[in-house]
Amino acid sequence: NAGVMQNPRHLVRRRGQEARLRCSPMKGHSHVYWYRQLPEEGLKFMVYLQKENIIDESGMPKERFSAEFPKEGPSILRIQQVVRGDSAAYFCASSPRLGGTNEKLFFGSGTQLSVL
Amino acid sequence: KQEVTQIPAALSVPEGENLVLNCSFTDSAIYNLQWFRQDPGKGLTSLLLIQSSQREQTSGRLNASLDKSSGRSTLYIAASQPGDSATYLCAVRNTGNQFYFGTGTSLTVIP
Repeated sequence: NAGVMQNPRHLVRRRGQEARLRCSPMKGHSHVYWYRQLPEEGLKFMVYLQKENIIDESGMPKERFSAEFPKEGPSILRIQQVVRGDSAAYFCASSPRLGGTNEKLFFGSGTQLSVL
Repeated sequence: KQEVTQIPAALSVPEGENLVLNCSFTDSAIYNLQWFRQDPGKGLTSLLLIQSSQREQTSGRLNASLDKSSGRSTLYIAASQPGDSATYLCAVRNTGNQFYFGTGTSLTVIP
């Protein structure tokens, strides 16, 4: 059972370009979370999705950022017109249905976005 | 809103020493608390999960405790090894299925 898969591992973009980050959750997991991490800082929540639904996007900037988790395929975090301040590590995590207290969060290896 | 704090921010110990990492949270209405390890440039690896009804969990040299009423958790590492060097993060899952992370404790175990 493969873990949470994120690609690309590293992504370099010039200012004004678009960045697309992909996340395939663990098999059987229907909940996906995206986090952003800057050097020497903690993980900042961005968005929480279930299949075809955005449950909580309170941590995501209102402009330029969007996320989706379609019925088929990976979850996508999309950043339009990137700026240097978007440079960070973006982590995806997944969890099975959250009906109990013993369900863990599993993380991917992250995508390091560098904006030139 | 839940706030999670971890102290110390950094810790350096000689190999073989036992150590304790602390995590505190402001809202005690939680489902569970999870401790993670993060190596430089890598993702997070789950170490231990404590359900809200539990007081502690153990895995090998690691022991995590939870005092929900006081909003505290500790991660105890026995007989530390250089390979334990990493950043340790705690995350609290609240009743709204949201996870809140602390800023982590950076641990260095000196051979």
